[in-house]
Amino acid sequence: AQSVTQLDSQVPVFEEAPVELRCNYSSSVSVYLFWYVQYPNQGLQLLLKYLSGSTLVESINGFEAEFNKSQTSFHLRKPSVHISDTAEYFCAVSNFGNEKLTFGTGTRLTIIP
Amino acid sequence: DVKVTQSSRYLVKRTGEKVFLECVQDMDHENMFWYRQDPGLGLRLIYFSYDVKMKEKGDIPEGYSVSREKKERFSLILESASTNQTSMYLCASSMLGNEKLFFGSGTQLSVL
Repeated sequence: AQSVTQLDSQVPVFEEAPVELRCNYSSSVSVYLFWYVQYPNQGLQLLLKYLSGSTLVESINGFEAEFNKSQTSFHLRKPSVHISDTAEYFCAVSNFGNEKLTFGTGTRLTIIP
Repeated sequence: DVKVTQSSRYLVKRTGEKVFLECVQDMDHENMFWYRQDPGLGLRLIYFSYDVKMKEKGDIPEGYSVSREKKERFSLILESASTNQTSMYLCASSMLGNEKLFFGSGTQLSVL
């Protein structure tokens, strides 16, 4: 069975500062990795995903995440955050050939003006 | 755009009531899922379905059942609601062979 750990439940960051949201996973087989974002009063939506190939993946709004197999991590980063990035971020994992996702407990990102 | 619609945004029920949460998707997705979201616990999978009339238990199925009579509709049933089932319930769908989930806006259920 796979599992996901998001150690930081809340991360406050000043506007225009960089941010890293940490995600570690555990699985006995190869995995797909995802970051989902939930803006206030909305459902979750996919931010970015790693399936194969380049270990660095990017989203359209400036976030990136790097798959690190040796450290079993998939941390999410953004060099300069904006007020509109205020949301809860969920890391998720699925095993190859299994369409069920296992989610982490989420990290609430708060941007301080 | 894919649309996943959950019938109620807020629902208040009494302990012991039978509760139906409805979810409809409009993109002909094979897979449908029910999660519950609780502070500090993230999302936990209750049930999922990969075809009409097919269902599989997720991680926390106790106290819940599901129904999928039509491809576009996936219902979550609480046979006898209890206070520990107070939660945000999220429905999601995806194409067969594709792990990208499309979520509804959620139903906040309060059981009093």
